Amino acid sequence: DVKVTQSSRYLVKRTGEKVFLECVQDMDHENMFWYRQDPGLGLRLIYFSYDVKMKEKGDIPEGYSVSREKKERFSLILESASTNQTSMYLCASSYLRPSGQETQYFGPGTRLLVL
Amino acid sequence: SQQGEEDPQALSIQEGENATMNCSYKTSINNLQWYRQNSGRGLVHLILIRSNEREKHSGRLRVTLDTSKKSSSLLITASRAADTASYFCATAIYNQGGKLIFGQGTELSVKP
Repeated sequence: DVKVTQSSRYLVKRTGEKVFLECVQDMDHENMFWYRQDPGLGLRLIYFSYDVKMKEKGDIPEGYSVSREKKERFSLILESASTNQTSMYLCASSYLRPSGQETQYFGPGTRLLVL
Repeated sequence: SQQGEEDPQALSIQEGENATMNCSYKTSINNLQWYRQNSGRGLVHLILIRSNEREKHSGRLRVTLDTSKKSSSLLITASRAADTASYFCATAIYNQGGKLIFGQGTELSVKP
């Protein structure tokens, strides 16, 4: 079975702190994604990566950065956490195939509270 | 703007009844996928329908796709309390490298 793990289920941080969210997948997927999920807004794509050291901005990249040094690991970084970044963060991964019919496999999510 | 919009936002039914959820989208797609999310957890892929398909079945799930109306529906037959979850449609656009655009979801409650 595909497994996508996230470093924390729950996280409480203070405004201004630097926050690292880690995601690891074990299926040799090329693509990895970071979303945030807020009530009434669904899932919004923050960043994604289709290869090591490659990254692309999603719909809401402001206030975030990412790092992909190894194929299996994709990190989301909040350089200076703010209260409006309190949210559920979901990581996902998928194969990159010409057919474009990849399904995404999700981690369990990290619920981040910024005080 | 949202590519996928779902209707209804919330649905409450009795066990044994069928549940139907709808999804509309705006641009041409490669495929449309449905995902399920149990409360506080990650999403799980349910079913994928390609743009050249009209209907697909998987167990108690039936998905239809009408590309002329840019809409899809997910039918869960003979629902169970364990089907209680949020359901999301997601569209894949051509040449977008595997990116999906998710709708806001339908929250389904199945009462025993």
